[in-house]
Amino acid sequence: GAVVSQHPSWVICKSGTSVKIECRSLDFQATTMFWYRQFPKQSLMLMATSNEGSKATYEQGVEKDKFLINHASLTLSTLTVTSAHPEDSSFYICSARRDRGSYEQYFGPGTRLTVT
Amino acid sequence: ELKVEQNPLFLSMQEGKNYTIYCNYSTTSDRLYWYRQDPGKSLESLFVLLSNGAVKQEGRLMASLDTKARLSTLHITAAVHDLSATYFCAVDKGTSYGKLTFGQGTILTVHP
Repeated sequence: GAVVSQHPSWVICKSGTSVKIECRSLDFQATTMFWYRQFPKQSLMLMATSNEGSKATYEQGVEKDKFLINHASLTLSTLTVTSAHPEDSSFYICSARRDRGSYEQYFGPGTRLTVT
Repeated sequence: ELKVEQNPLFLSMQEGKNYTIYCNYSTTSDRLYWYRQDPGKSLESLFVLLSNGAVKQEGRLMASLDTKARLSTLHITAAVHDLSATYFCAVDKGTSYGKLTFGQGTILTVHP
């Protein structure tokens, strides 16, 4: 159990366009989902926390108008990169947690975004 | 601001040897995680350490946590090539459970 999927697994888009990435918990309900970004050969950086039914909270330095997060249901969170630029090219990884008291979170397989 | 530092960042080992990766963090936290990442892949959970003195072992890997020293170690015993990967430690930001701060990662290469 505790499987998290992401779609797409990779995407190439042109500069100025928007891209939506989906994160789904397949066999459990996730009250909270997290979005991380990982640049090549670097560590993971938390971008935002997404709670079902409420607005996402963004980490310092992350532009909320550029990275739109919607947690529409207990099994789905989406990250939309608006007006993407080459510097947004990165590996985006989501994770999901069953409830606020749970210490375990389950990571998705990641989405590689390349902006040309 | 919570900072998590791993040492070493690069580790080249011979098969059969032992080594330890260290993870230091700057503020109080009771939850520490170890993950493995293979090239181009996402994270695989290795260990979750929840209290001072916690020790967990799985195969050739053993992790421990000393919350007073703010230090966790990942010990590798008799390394094999399949252990080659990047290893991350991550610390929970205390009151905001789930907001993980990651170390820089340790790239482990095991040579025959």
